Amino acid sequence: SQTIHQWPATLVQPVGSPLSLECTVEGTSNPNLYWYRQAAGRGLQLLFYSVGIGQISSEVPQNLSASRPQDRQFILSSKKLLLSDSGFYLCAWSPLGPGEQYFGPGTRLTVT
Amino acid sequence: TQLLEQSPQFLSIQEGENLTVYCNSSSVFSSLQWYRQEPGEGPVLLVTVVTGGEVKKLKRLTFQFGDARKDSSLHITAAQPGDTGLYLCAGALNYGGSQGNLIFGKGTKLSVKP
Repeated sequence: SQTIHQWPATLVQPVGSPLSLECTVEGTSNPNLYWYRQAAGRGLQLLFYSVGIGQISSEVPQNLSASRPQDRQFILSSKKLLLSDSGFYLCAWSPLGPGEQYFGPGTRLTVT
Repeated sequence: TQLLEQSPQFLSIQEGENLTVYCNSSSVFSSLQWYRQEPGEGPVLLVTVVTGGEVKKLKRLTFQFGDARKDSSLHITAAQPGDTGLYLCAGALNYGGSQGNLIFGKGTKLSVKP
């Protein structure tokens, strides 16, 4: 069966510090991968998606970037965090085609 | 801009009551998903509906996809405290490079009191 991991689970970082969040998927190959941000327990905002190694599409211009160095690894980064980067970050994967997505447990980021 | 409108935004009911949550859009979706999310956790997929008019049941939960594939509803019978959570609908658009991407509603926050 497929599983998706995210770490860290929680993170407190000062403004201006770098960020690296990691997501890995097991039990599948060549998945579509997604990064979302969720504010205050509400709807999800798609940040990046990837259909393959090295292929990244950005949905929202911002202070963040994403990379996919391996088939089942997706990384969300920032060189300098802003207060507005605080939120709940979710990674998801989907098989090609029907649109179903399966989410990781999330990372709670607080920028102070 | 594709939008999915969910209603109501908040719902607080007593155990044993029935409820319906709605998800509406002007866009046609190739499929529509419903998720439930607990605080501090990732959303969990409940169901996918694909065919216009389709009805799926998951224990006390009934999901319906509109005939035109623009809207959906989730009905819960005899709600229990364990049904408490944020319910999200998400529609899949199937065109060009966005194949597989989902448009999410803002969610319905359900609280079922014992």
